[in-house]
Amino acid sequence: DTGVSQNPRHKITKRGQNVTFRCDPISEHNRLYWYRQTLGQGPEFLTYFQNEAQLEKSRLLSDRFSAERPKGSFSTLEIQRTEQGDSAMYLCASSFMEETGTQYFGPGTRLLVL
Amino acid sequence: EDKVVQSPLSLVVHEGDTVTLNCSYEVTNFRSLLWYKQEKKAPTFLFMLTSSGIEKKSGRLSSILDKKELFSILNITATQTGDSAIYLCAGLGNNNDMRFGAGTRLTVKP
Repeated sequence: DTGVSQNPRHKITKRGQNVTFRCDPISEHNRLYWYRQTLGQGPEFLTYFQNEAQLEKSRLLSDRFSAERPKGSFSTLEIQRTEQGDSAMYLCASSFMEETGTQYFGPGTRLLVL
Repeated sequence: EDKVVQSPLSLVVHEGDTVTLNCSYEVTNFRSLLWYKQEKKAPTFLFMLTSSGIEKKSGRLSSILDKKELFSILNITATQTGDSAIYLCAGLGNNNDMRFGAGTRLTVKP
């Protein structure tokens, strides 16, 4: 399967702990996006990378959130000092630079902060 | 502030019915309107609309964009139970972030 993969698929943590999620995009894609989705809402854009450069960050991305894509391939999203409000599905997507609208989404990581 | 509003929020129909899903948008430096289908997990791409008035079709699904009225519709004819999903509309601006609507949850009953 050469689609977008995300790990872990589920994460339960206690408030105040740090968590890190990983996304492996489709290998030929140079753009990688992170979204957050809560129940009953569409995905909310968090940030995106073009190769290893982080080009855009939403104001939703507080200073507790950090994302990296060190070699322009996989990406990690870290949330420090988690809060209950961080509980959500975190989706990763990838695309070619020329086809930003045609994004391929991974299965997501569901985070529950207790 | 950019926003995308979808209606209805949920819809229940019977197999064979035709449905129309609505999407209105206000997106700064608008480039394209996207439709995605979300079943259990990841959204999957359906259509990208950039030009006004040109219908895009894929099987029983079709979509059109009205850039003057800032509106798009997604039509599904002869619905099947497999069409049951959340249909998401998103506006794409020049800054490459997609603004999604809350989605329309479609349930097709046999």
